[in-house]
Amino acid sequence: GQQLNQSPQSMFIQEGEDVSMNCTSSSIFNTWLWYKQDPGEGPVLLIALYKAGELTSNGRLTAQFGITRKDSFLNISASIPSDVGIYFCAGFPNQGAQKLVFGQGTRLTINP
Amino acid sequence: NAGVTQTPKFRILKIGQSMTLQCTQDMNHNYMYWYRQDPGMGLKLIYYSVGAGITDKGEVPNGYNVSRSTTEDFPLRLELAAPSQTSVYFCASSYWGEQFFGPGTRLTVL
Repeated sequence: GQQLNQSPQSMFIQEGEDVSMNCTSSSIFNTWLWYKQDPGEGPVLLIALYKAGELTSNGRLTAQFGITRKDSFLNISASIPSDVGIYFCAGFPNQGAQKLVFGQGTRLTINP
Repeated sequence: NAGVTQTPKFRILKIGQSMTLQCTQDMNHNYMYWYRQDPGMGLKLIYYSVGAGITDKGEVPNGYNVSRSTTEDFPLRLELAAPSQTSVYFCASSYWGEQFFGPGTRLTVL
């Protein structure tokens, strides 16, 4: 089935640094979603992208839907301690119904 | 709105026991989903439903059953618990596209 390759798998950064992570696929996706999961909690939606080339911001977070429709990236600017967690990309395959495909996640650790 | 609620939060089962994980949403969403998340991994779809009375298998349905008699509720049933079913289970719902997740049920099978 379709797979999403998310990288990096983990990041260790200093507070205040910018963060960049991405998600790629060998097939086309028509929607990209970015979620954050805190320990012991369910994933929470951060940003949704619906059109190729779309660039959307949510506070210090910015995400883009790649022009080829096979990738997406998420940037976090000026990281703060509460940004710690696992970030998942997810997408709806072009020919899929309502079944989301998830990436493996990027675990973000911040040193104060 | 409470969103998506799940009960119980934690459960320990013995091998061969059965249980039902409850999921309720109050957003009038047609679509509902069950995922499992193993340690350090992403989410895998177990079953999903596109509306009351309609369910379908996801990626890892073996060992599980579901039913959808109402729009609000989507229970997940484990009939004969096995250690391989030790995981965190998340329920989600959506109107179209964006899925909203519950807080999860942590299940251990010993």
